[in-house]
Amino acid sequence: KQEVTQIPAALSVPEGENLVLNCSFTDSAIYNLQWFRQDPGKGLTSLLLIQSSQREQTSGRLNASLDKSSGRSTLYIAASQPGDSATYLCAAELAGAGSYQLTFGKGTKLSVIP
Amino acid sequence: NAGVMQNPRHLVRRRGQEARLRCSPMKGHSHVYWYRQLPEEGLKFMVYLQKENIIDESGMPKERFSAEFPKEGPSILRIQQVVRGDSAAYFCASSRTGTDTQYFGPGTRLTVL
Repeated sequence: KQEVTQIPAALSVPEGENLVLNCSFTDSAIYNLQWFRQDPGKGLTSLLLIQSSQREQTSGRLNASLDKSSGRSTLYIAASQPGDSATYLCAAELAGAGSYQLTFGKGTKLSVIP
Repeated sequence: NAGVMQNPRHLVRRRGQEARLRCSPMKGHSHVYWYRQLPEEGLKFMVYLQKENIIDESGMPKERFSAEFPKEGPSILRIQQVVRGDSAAYFCASSRTGTDTQYFGPGTRLTVL
């Protein structure tokens, strides 16, 4: 059974700082790994999706990496802004079996202090 | 192209009543997934459907919960005889194919009194 863990559970940083969010998963047979952002009371916004054959994806100030062999992914946020404050979720999609369910971590709650 | 739509956004039910949650996938998407987010917990997969078919319901509670995705109309998650422990945010996601990115709706927040 796939388990996804995110550390830390909460993080507070001053504006402008670069930061890294961590995600680990127990089953390396993943199809892809996705990072989402969730704002309070809102739905999920997909940030980056890394296919199992890829090592990283970049979008603007965000960079996500994937190391299947060690069961880890990181989300790097450069030059953080107060608008980045949200909960960040990572989710792994297991390969095969005909089902494409995502297994989520509990998230890292990020606060960027002006 | 409108995103995934869910209604209602908030639903209040008394214990023993039925809750019906609706999800309209993005245009062109025929794959729908339901997830539940309990307070202080991560999102948990419930069920995966394609038009008129349940593909994977391994995350659905065995009793009181059912889901459908008819040929016409939205996908429905139905909870019969709700209990307080059903209070949660229920999210729907859709994708064009099984391997494509899943796009999430805003969720329905169910409160059981």
